[in-house]
Amino acid sequence: QVQLVQSGAEVKKPGASVKVSCQASGYTFTSSSMHWVRQAPGQGPEWIGIIHPSGGSPVYAQKFQGRVTMTRDTSTSTVYMELTSLRSEDTAVYYCARRPPDGYSYIDYWGQGTLVTVSS
Amino acid sequence: DIVMTQSPDSLAVSLGEGATINCKSSQSLLYSSNDKNYLAWYQQKPGQPPKLLIYWASTREAGVPDRFSGSGSGTDFTLTISGLQTEDVAVYYCQQYYSVPWTFGQGTKLEIK
Repeated sequence: QVQLVQSGAEVKKPGASVKVSCQASGYTFTSSSMHWVRQAPGQGPEWIGIIHPSGGSPVYAQKFQGRVTMTRDTSTSTVYMELTSLRSEDTAVYYCARRPPDGYSYIDYWGQGTLVTVSS
Repeated sequence: DIVMTQSPDSLAVSLGEGATINCKSSQSLLYSSNDKNYLAWYQQKPGQPPKLLIYWASTREAGVPDRFSGSGSGTDFTLTISGLQTEDVAVYYCQQYYSVPWTFGQGTKLEIK
């Protein structure tokens, strides 16, 4: 069965960076792109970007351009999302979420989420 | 960016009754070349990630009970839950995947009356 397992919760100070990992299993890692989505407390989800594990450049939401970097490690079936210059508004649960193999950008599987808290 | 607006923000329905959640997009989600609406619905329970219910506006994901149905086209969409059960208490989100950035509605909280 498809599983996306994320790294644990993080507490960061304003201005710092955070890197969240997401290890995939139960399917062919290189066959499906991975979204990153975040959800602030009490808010709807917000799309951050998408990366294809087999190659090519990630696509980022304009809001995060210059602050986000998505990478992959095919040897461990892991994708990473790094967000820099953190501010209090970045406090949220961050999810990796699989794009189905058909290539259309709804989301069929989600990781368990990683809470990132930004506080001085 | 395409703005997704859901209504109502919250809804209380009696067990066994039906619930209707609406989602309106700021531009059409119907792609003319394949006649598909690029709209998905998700269910989120407290402390859990969202779960896919419906894609292509009306295609039910495998394993989703048939009391959940999606309809609509263009800019106006509806999620209908028939015969509400206690396990349906959740927040429901619509999402457009027509164009980047992919965007979600603000959510509709469904409770038992």
